[in-house]
Amino acid sequence: AQSVAQPEDQVNVAEGNPLTVKCTYSVSGNPYLFWYVQYPNRGLQFLLKYITGDNLVKGSYGFEAEFNKSQTSFHLKKPSALVSDSALYFCAVSPLGSGNTGKLIFGQGTTLQVKP
Amino acid sequence: KAGVTQTPRYLIKTRGQQVTLSCSPISGHRSVSWYQQTPGQGLQFLFEYFSETQRNKGNFPGRFSGRQFSNSRSEMNVSTLELGDSALYLCASSLEALAGQPNTGELFFGEGSRLTVL
Repeated sequence: AQSVAQPEDQVNVAEGNPLTVKCTYSVSGNPYLFWYVQYPNRGLQFLLKYITGDNLVKGSYGFEAEFNKSQTSFHLKKPSALVSDSALYFCAVSPLGSGNTGKLIFGQGTTLQVKP
Repeated sequence: KAGVTQTPRYLIKTRGQQVTLSCSPISGHRSVSWYQQTPGQGLQFLFEYFSETQRNKGNFPGRFSGRQFSNSRSEMNVSTLELGDSALYLCASSLEALAGQPNTGELFFGEGSRLTVL
């Protein structure tokens, strides 16, 4: 079965420190991987994606993610956290790779808390 | 360009009633998908419509249905509501790839319709 795991329910970090939100996946074939962010009472916003190419992908708001095929991971990172980064973060995978836009499998989400 | 619009934003129903939620995608987007978000189950895929046809369906009972109109607007319906149907229902639209181009699968989400079933 294809799945995404976010092993941490919550990540706490001090403002200015680097942050990492972890994600591992289990899919057949080459994965399309995504990170989305959700602010309270809002929909999800796209942050970044890995389709192919460089293992380090850069996205919105200074976030980046590293694809590691051998570890089947796609961790979200940011060199210096901001209080405004506090939100719920979702990792997702497109189960069929190319050609299937609407169906994503999401992880359970990780709450990021950045303290001043 | 206007984003994905969902109506209503909030609604309260009682068990046994039915509800219809509406979603207007970003102009030019022909794929519309629906997700249910609950604290316990997280984000679960309901179904996806493309060019008025259901292309994918998640693992939900038949009480959950949807449709898409020729202008790409979509509605989902839940009949015989149960307490467990209380959730945030999110709609997302996406742009299909041009012929010969890879499909990158980015979804654009609306702010959701929060359904409370009493």
